[in-house]
Amino acid sequence: DGGITQSPKYLFRKEGQNVTLSCEQNLNHDAMYWYRQDPGQGLRLIYYSQIVNDFQKGDIAEGYSVSREKKESFPLTVTSAQKNPTAFYLCASRRGRQDSTEAFFGQGTRLTVV
Amino acid sequence: GIQVEQSPPDLILQEGANSTLRCNFSDSVNNLQWFHQNPWGQLINLFYIPSGTKQNGRLSATTVATERYSLLYISSSQTTDSGVYFCAVNLGSARQLTFGSGTQLTVLP
Repeated sequence: DGGITQSPKYLFRKEGQNVTLSCEQNLNHDAMYWYRQDPGQGLRLIYYSQIVNDFQKGDIAEGYSVSREKKESFPLTVTSAQKNPTAFYLCASRRGRQDSTEAFFGQGTRLTVV
Repeated sequence: GIQVEQSPPDLILQEGANSTLRCNFSDSVNNLQWFHQNPWGQLINLFYIPSGTKQNGRLSATTVATERYSLLYISSSQTTDSGVYFCAVNLGSARQLTFGSGTQLTVLP
């Protein structure tokens, strides 16, 4: 089935550690996005990529890094510089580089710092 | 200021009732989507509706882009409709979807 796969579903991290969240899509979509959701709030954009080997910062990029080496994959690294990383992380993709196409989301990864 | 505003923030209904959720936005849009976030956190696509009216079963949506608002109608609500409903738009020349803060819907049996 075509879709967006995020892994793991749950992730626990010790303070000071970097962790990488996986996002893979087999929809042949050009653009991919990472959002963060805190309890009771909407989604905020961390990073996005509209083409392989290129990405742009979103509204809350500090403490995060990404790569886009393959069209299908857009991993997000939460670094130790992120002061409050506990949140729900959602990956999305859309066809083409235009902003007028429909976006689809993965099932999310819940990150907890312990 | 607020770019995407949803109302009401919370809504409690009895099963079988109808409801209207509103999304106001502060700029022209070339993309507007409505999502339902289920209890497990997954965002389910309801409508892609930058303008006009669409219907899907008990749900329908209308976007009036010139007046900068969109409405989501839920008829004959069911307990499974409970969850958070988000409106998201591409504002102006922005590349990304900007989300509203959502409407928390609770449907009581």
